[in-house]
Amino acid sequence: RKEVEQDPGPFNVPEGATVAFNCTYSNSASQSFFWYRQDCRKEPKLLMSVYSSGNEDGRFTAQLNRASQYISLLIRDSKLSDSATYLCVVNPNDMRFGAGTRLTVKP
Amino acid sequence: DTEVTQTPKHLVMGMTNKKSLKCEQHMGHRAMYWYKQKAKKPPELMFVYSYEKLSINESVPSRFSPECPNSSLLNLHLHALQPEDSALYLCASSQFGQGSTEAFFGQGTRLTVV
Repeated sequence: RKEVEQDPGPFNVPEGATVAFNCTYSNSASQSFFWYRQDCRKEPKLLMSVYSSGNEDGRFTAQLNRASQYISLLIRDSKLSDSATYLCVVNPNDMRFGAGTRLTVKP
Repeated sequence: DTEVTQTPKHLVMGMTNKKSLKCEQHMGHRAMYWYKQKAKKPPELMFVYSYEKLSINESVPSRFSPECPNSSLLNLHLHALQPEDSALYLCASSQFGQGSTEAFFGQGTRLTVV
């Protein structure tokens, strides 16, 4: 079993749609969790950290479920500029990526 | 300064060449990482350095040799690579320890082995 598993995608949604990604992890000792965004031929950039109580940043909401060992990312009111690959990262001190989910937002 | 700098940005090398990739950060981070990324795949962890000591080697072939001369620098020495080693090589850094903060990535070195 992979240490971090992520929805395969791709997700193709219209502008304004709400879309959710999930990511499960196997190491219960994992302490920190992140969502990164990667544009084509660019490096990954932090989108948001995921806190135990859940956290929101504008249209983006991240949640952590320790009991079921998964994290989620919800994007509301999708914009064309949200088109990218979204990668979850789980860190029991070695920063492992999920497979990434490709999102395309269409007009 | 939240920057990780990688050089060179592009590298073409022959299978008999020896080259090095360089990575530098001045954020005081004590964990540094090398990743390999092939097209349409996620970054794949290669090595982790913690407090300048190699803490994780993901069974990477010996033709890749990492080096951490000090807390700000991370090198990846390349020798006798194969065409399938062509990829984007990403360096990252983060604070180390439980509850670590996020990793910051360099722009990567796009390596082509001919």
